[in-house]
Amino acid sequence: GAGVSQSPSNKVTEKGKDVELRCDPISGHTALYWYRQRLGQGLEFLIYFQGNSAPDKSGLPSDRFSAERTGESVSTLTIQRTQQEDSAVYLCASSLDTSKQFFGPGTRLTVL
Amino acid sequence: GENVEQHPSTLSVQEGDSAVIKCTYSDSASNYFPWYKQELGKRPQLIIDIRSNVGEKKDQRIAVTLNKTAKHFSLHITETQPEDSAVYFCAASIPPGNTGKLIFGQGTTLQVKP
Repeated sequence: GAGVSQSPSNKVTEKGKDVELRCDPISGHTALYWYRQRLGQGLEFLIYFQGNSAPDKSGLPSDRFSAERTGESVSTLTIQRTQQEDSAVYLCASSLDTSKQFFGPGTRLTVL
Repeated sequence: GENVEQHPSTLSVQEGDSAVIKCTYSDSASNYFPWYKQELGKRPQLIIDIRSNVGEKKDQRIAVTLNKTAKHFSLHITETQPEDSAVYFCAASIPPGNTGKLIFGQGTTLQVKP
């Protein structure tokens, strides 16, 4: 079946603008995660959705970051008033049983 | 909170040799330890994982060992091939519970020379 997909693949924006990143998880996967990967670095956990439970936002770096998920399907990560330090690859992953996570290709965000 | 340290940051081996990457974690309540391989410009892919009730797991040329007492786990790749060249990340689950939230190491760039 189809894997995790993300859009756009690349996004260039100006400092201060808002951006919205989209993730389509594998069908049937109840858990969805967002991570940030800065150049040459490991992945940083941002937010976690499990079914219809309230999301775990403990990894969000500031209140400029927010995310939503519609049921057990698509999720959007929104970054308001983008800053240059937000430049990174944003990766989404989904999981059937909260263990094996399958990653999307990522969105490369560049803030000028 | 949980912290994961990964060593070495770069590793160069000759084709056919073995490669070992080591990680340590800080929270003894972590119970799930996956390893991901990321080729340049591509998504991370799960290559092997282990739970805290198991000491070792093997899948063909790849094995992972876990020492809960010392809070470290290692990835072993035998008979390395050029296609094994990539960045490898270890990760540990963030307690409490089995949410699947992970904290990642900083990565090891493995180069296998033909």
